[in-house]
Amino acid sequence: DTAVSQTPKYLVTQMGNDKSIKCEQNLGHDTMYWYKQDSKKFLKIMFSYNNKELIINETVPNRFSPKSPDKAHLNLHINSLELGDSAVYFCASSLEGARGYTFGSGTRLTVV
Amino acid sequence: AQSVSQHNHHVILSEAASLELGCNYSYGGTVNLFWYVQYPGQHLQLLLKYFSGDPLVKGIKGFEAEFIKSKFSFNLRKPSVQWSDTAEYFCAVKDAGNTGKLIFGQGTTLQVKP
Repeated sequence: DTAVSQTPKYLVTQMGNDKSIKCEQNLGHDTMYWYKQDSKKFLKIMFSYNNKELIINETVPNRFSPKSPDKAHLNLHINSLELGDSAVYFCASSLEGARGYTFGSGTRLTVV
Repeated sequence: AQSVSQHNHHVILSEAASLELGCNYSYGGTVNLFWYVQYPGQHLQLLLKYFSGDPLVKGIKGFEAEFIKSKFSFNLRKPSVQWSDTAEYFCAVKDAGNTGKLIFGQGTTLQVKP
């Protein structure tokens, strides 16, 4: 069973569209994250939720809206997609006070 | 703000060569440090981590790292690399606040020639 699963794995879409990426973890972790990896492979935190509560929002455009219906899910909705949104988006989870993070396999978003 | 710096952006080695990748972090307090590996087209996998105790940390696949507090460093080493070690390597530090987020270095691309 995949611990942190993201769907879709690949997403190709046109500028201006709205799209969502889903993330689910079955580890019982209470904190989930979205990271963006740009074309230069640099990884940067975007959002973090702890028990469905937003705790990190790192100056991400408000076209990006995370939603956490429960602590096992953290979805990312992106409105009005732009070329610069093309990247690999990684979901991750951790347990507060614990010492590890588990990453999903990533979603490669290409905006054309 | 905390930061992580990886000095080597692109390293090319022949098989059996020894590897050392540099990592420096900026925070002077208690740190939790990680090295992750990303094989081509794949997700991040944890190689090793340091929280406390023995500053020489052993990880998977023969990797190890040494935490040197006085140098703010956490360099990754492997005595003899293999072609299958070709990947992107990321050093990371856990945010000193209570957000739990990881702050990553820029990454080092390792290319091992057979």
